[in-house]
Amino acid sequence: KQEVTQIPAALSVPEGENLVLNCSFTDSAIYNLQWFRQDPGKGLTSLLLIQSSQREQTSGRLNASLDKSSGRSTLYIAASQPGDSATYLCAANNYGQNFVFGPGTRLSVLP
Amino acid sequence: DVKVTQSSRYLVKRTGEKVFLECVQDMDHENMFWYRQDPGLGLRLIYFSYDVKMKEKGDIPEGYSVSREKKERFSLILESASTNQTSMYLCATGVYGYTFGSGTRLTVV
Repeated sequence: KQEVTQIPAALSVPEGENLVLNCSFTDSAIYNLQWFRQDPGKGLTSLLLIQSSQREQTSGRLNASLDKSSGRSTLYIAASQPGDSATYLCAANNYGQNFVFGPGTRLSVLP
Repeated sequence: DVKVTQSSRYLVKRTGEKVFLECVQDMDHENMFWYRQDPGLGLRLIYFSYDVKMKEKGDIPEGYSVSREKKERFSLILESASTNQTSMYLCATGVYGYTFGSGTRLTVV
């Protein structure tokens, strides 16, 4: 059964810093991996979706990579801003299976 | 873009009440899901549906039921609300990637 972990649980950085959030999964036969952002008290907003045939996806200041052999995905945020403060979750699924979610990393970007 | 609408942002209900949480999606997706999210426990899947009239139990179905009479609507039912069902409830739809609603914060008193 696929399991997803995210380390660290919380991260605090000064504004302007580039940062990397980590996501690990146990079953390398992954079908899709999705990164989400969640603001306090709100639903999840999809940031990037990486299909198994892809190595990375980019959207603005965000870049997500996928390395199936090592069971890892990273979300790179360039030039962080206070508005990036939120909880970031990753989720992975295998073919025909529901997505499994990680616990999230709570990011604080300090002005 | 897919839009997922949850009928209420905040609800306060009394113990023992029957509670209906509604979710509507506008993109003709087959798959729909209900999660609850609690601090320290993450997202937990309650029920899901791959088709109209079809429903499957997730990881924590006890105390809940669902209804899917139309493709676009997936309802979560708390048969007799209890205080341990106080939580954030999230509806999602999608196959290759999920789109979530804005969530319903339910408080049972």
